[in-house]
Amino acid sequence: EVQLVESGGGLVQPGRSLRLSCAASGFTFDDYAMHWVRQAPGKGLEWVSGISWNSGSIVYADSMKGRFTISRDNAKNSLYLQMNSLRVEDTALYYCAKDRGPSIVGATTGLDYWGQGTLVTVSS
Amino acid sequence: SYELTQPPSVSVSPGQTARITCSGDALPKKYACWYQQKSGQAPVLVIYEDSKRPSGIPERFSGSSSGTVATLTISGAQVEDEADYYCYSTDSSAHHRLFGGGTKLTVL
Repeated sequence: EVQLVESGGGLVQPGRSLRLSCAASGFTFDDYAMHWVRQAPGKGLEWVSGISWNSGSIVYADSMKGRFTISRDNAKNSLYLQMNSLRVEDTALYYCAKDRGPSIVGATTGLDYWGQGTLVTVSS
Repeated sequence: SYELTQPPSVSVSPGQTARITCSGDALPKKYACWYQQKSGQAPVLVIYEDSKRPSGIPERFSGSSSGTVATLTISGAQVEDEADYYCYSTDSSAHHRLFGGGTKLTVL
């Protein structure tokens, strides 16, 4: 059974940093690209970033570029999101999601498994 | 910046056909996917590559794409299909992924 378990969320002040983790199990982690998607309270889904199977390709949404860093450790079956210079508008539930394919460049084939999310609240 | 546009809401009676559209200039050349999100739950992939249905998704869910519009069709909508639905695709560069704004489907 595929499982994605996010952790690392919490309450943080504006301007501070936070590192999210996603522990994956039930599939061959290094065969697939992975993504972070967020959802602000009462709002829609927003794609944050994606990383290819071997970390060779990494892409960010424009609003996160330069502040967020995605990474993965295939030996630990783990995905990470380092978030710096956090803003109030970054408050959201952050989901880890598995891609159906290995690449993040080219046509998408969808995100077929999602975690339950970890809540990040940015507030003074 | 590139956007995918969905209607905010769609309403049908049980047993009717619900159609949710997603408009985007790059859709003629890029696949669309569809996600269902029920209240308090993580999204679920219901359609990928415009029209393919993952295992376990009921046959009443189907997808199509023509020109700049992708469409999710729920034939014989059930009360349990009430949810928010999001389309998902890539921009013309095929680097950035994005979601549509979401459509709230009401079945009553």
